[in-house]
Amino acid sequence: QVQLQESGPGLVKPSQTLSLTCTVSGGSISTVSNYWSWIRQPAGKGLEWIGRVYSNGDTNYNPSLESRVTISADTSKNQFSLKLSSVSAADTAVYYCARGGGRGLDSWGQGTLVTVSS
Amino acid sequence: SYELTQPLSVSVALGQTATITCGGTNIGNKNVHWYQQKPGQAPVLVIYRDTTRPSAIPERFSGSTSRNTATLTIARAQAGDEADYYCQVWDISTAVFGGGTKLTVL
Repeated sequence: QVQLQESGPGLVKPSQTLSLTCTVSGGSISTVSNYWSWIRQPAGKGLEWIGRVYSNGDTNYNPSLESRVTISADTSKNQFSLKLSSVSAADTAVYYCARGGGRGLDSWGQGTLVTVSS
Repeated sequence: SYELTQPLSVSVALGQTATITCGGTNIGNKNVHWYQQKPGQAPVLVIYRDTTRPSAIPERFSGSTSRNTATLTIARAQAGDEADYYCQVWDISTAVFGGGTKLTVL
C-alpha cells in the first residue's frame, strides 16, 4: 500500500517561497501510469488542485497559480516537491500530496498546515 | 474555465438514501471521481470513473452520470457517512473540484 508524507516548514513569511516535499513509500514514483499531485485546502473551504508531475518531469499547473508554482520529481529519492513563490496570507492552507492515475487521486498524504505570516 | 456545481449541504435520515449531485457542462463525457473527507482528515476516494468503487469502499456507495449531472448515492446512510463530499474531473490537463457538499445524517 503506497503511503505519502508531506514535509516542510509550517510557517512562511509573506513574499517568500513556500517549499514542501512529499515522500512516497510502498510504491515508486517512476510508475508510468501514475502522476503526483499537490492539492490545498484553506481552513473551512474546499479543495484546490495546484498541479501535478509525472516521473519524466512533465507538469501541469492550475492556471490560477501557474505563474508562481513549480512542481518537480526526484526519482532517486522517491519524492516530489512543490515550490510556491511570492506567498501571501491567501496561501495559508493545508497542503496535501496525492497519487493520481486512471482511478483518480487514490492515495493522499495526511496533509500539512502552512501558515503565511510575518 | 470548467466549473462543477454541488449543493452546499444535503441531509438524510439514518438508514435512508442520500444523493449528492455534481453539475457541469457535458459532464457525462468526462470521468468523474468522488472523494469523502471527514473533519481533520485527508480526502478518501470513494468512486472513480463515474461508477467504480475502490475495494475498501462499501457497496452502499454508488455513482452515476447523465449528460450534465453526476450523482453520488449513499444507500442506508450511517452516522459514519457524515462528511464533506467532493466531485472531481479533468478539464484537458487541469483537475477541477466541485465546491463540496456537507452530508448530515439525522
